[in-house]
Amino acid sequence: GENVEQHPSTLSVQEGDSAVIKCTYSDSASNYFPWYKQELGKRPQLIIDIRSNVGEKKDQRIAVTLNKTAKHFSLHITETQPEDSAVYFCAASGGGNKLVFGAGTILRVKS
Amino acid sequence: GAGVSQTPSNKVTEKGKYVELRCDPISGHTALYWYRQSLGQGPEFLIYFQGTGAADDSGLPNDRFFAVRPEGSVSTLKIQRTERGDSAVYLCASSLIRQNSPLHFGNGTRLTVT
Repeated sequence: GENVEQHPSTLSVQEGDSAVIKCTYSDSASNYFPWYKQELGKRPQLIIDIRSNVGEKKDQRIAVTLNKTAKHFSLHITETQPEDSAVYFCAASGGGNKLVFGAGTILRVKS
Repeated sequence: GAGVSQTPSNKVTEKGKYVELRCDPISGHTALYWYRQSLGQGPEFLIYFQGTGAADDSGLPNDRFFAVRPEGSVSTLKIQRTERGDSAVYLCASSLIRQNSPLHFGNGTRLTVT
């Protein structure tokens, strides 16, 4: 089955800097890659997603890139703000709507 | 509109007891999922329903875990003979039925087995 690895496990950046989180997946049939943000004690919330027919997608300060050949995808947050501090999860789906999640990245934005 | 609702928000039970966790999905979402999240980890897939039937239950850890969705809306996750290792946050999510629709999560039920 699908296996998703996520790096780094923790990331500290200065306010205004960029943050990059990377994930790799194992199943070449996976075709949907969402990213979720989870604040302490709250539910995961979708922030951006990308499908395998697209290489890059951007939404304001957030962008996701996908390299199908290398089977990895990344989340890029520019101009980070303190409210971006949270745990971020990547996930991959090979169809059948079953998402497999990475272990998460704790992002800390220092002001 | 209303999001995914899960009750109770917290449940403390003794080892060996039976528990039921409830999920009320977003209206019109025919796909429903149960995930389990342990501290410091990502959500772990348990089971997925399309309508009333379990389309994929490959994530249920053993036969103490069972889930139902009798009318294709509300779902109940049932855990028999609870063990301390069952302690986790149990997340429910729903989505539209088309492939790769975004999942919308509830706030979860924090289960503690003492």
